[in-house]
Amino acid sequence: DAKTTQPPSMDCAEGRAANLPCNHSTISGNEYVYWYRQIHSQGPQYIIHGLKNNETNEMASLIITEDRKSSTLILPHATLRDTAVYYCIVRAHTGGTSYGKLTFGQGTILTVHP
Amino acid sequence: NAGVTQTPKFQVLKTGQSMTLQCAQDMNHEYMSWYRQDPGMGLRLIHYSVGAGITDQGEVPNGYNVSRSTTEDFPLRLLSAAPSQTSVYFCASSSLPGGMNTEAFFGQGTRLTVV
Repeated sequence: DAKTTQPPSMDCAEGRAANLPCNHSTISGNEYVYWYRQIHSQGPQYIIHGLKNNETNEMASLIITEDRKSSTLILPHATLRDTAVYYCIVRAHTGGTSYGKLTFGQGTILTVHP
Repeated sequence: NAGVTQTPKFQVLKTGQSMTLQCAQDMNHEYMSWYRQDPGMGLRLIHYSVGAGITDQGEVPNGYNVSRSTTEDFPLRLLSAAPSQTSVYFCASSSLPGGMNTEAFFGQGTRLTVV
């Protein structure tokens, strides 16, 4: 699986958009970009994933660059409850039994302040 | 739906003791996995399974055994606990990638201390 690079920490004011970047310059054509978050040592929670088109759901938006070498997770109106560690993961959907594995890096600690 | 249920939530073991961490899911997911998380670090994959009767090693499998006799259950066994196995353990399940819905669901974790 391709490795990802994220900033170790970011701050955001409550009510503002939080934009979390992720670099995945070695991503392969069959690898998707996934985002998970982990709130205060709870189990990680799925946020969103995409291949090459921008995606949006009720939690967030995912913007993937045209060359797919980087992406940005956008939380449109951050709240205090969005304070968490955010993990960007690339994961293949095909290619043998190993393709289901999620490889977690250090993630980005997002702190939302009042 | 209960989702992914892990038991126990907390456990203290003495060095050399054995125990089994339980994981059950009620979503009929084929794929299940175990991770450990040490302070300040991301999750590391221990073992995973793509279906009943099929398991494989992840990144840090030493000291752990798994089996998958049913779709629902994926227990993790520590045969002889060591202080280095003090960690928080997470179980996860998902449908196999390739389908439309490949979101992984995680349990709430088991906090294990080996003294």
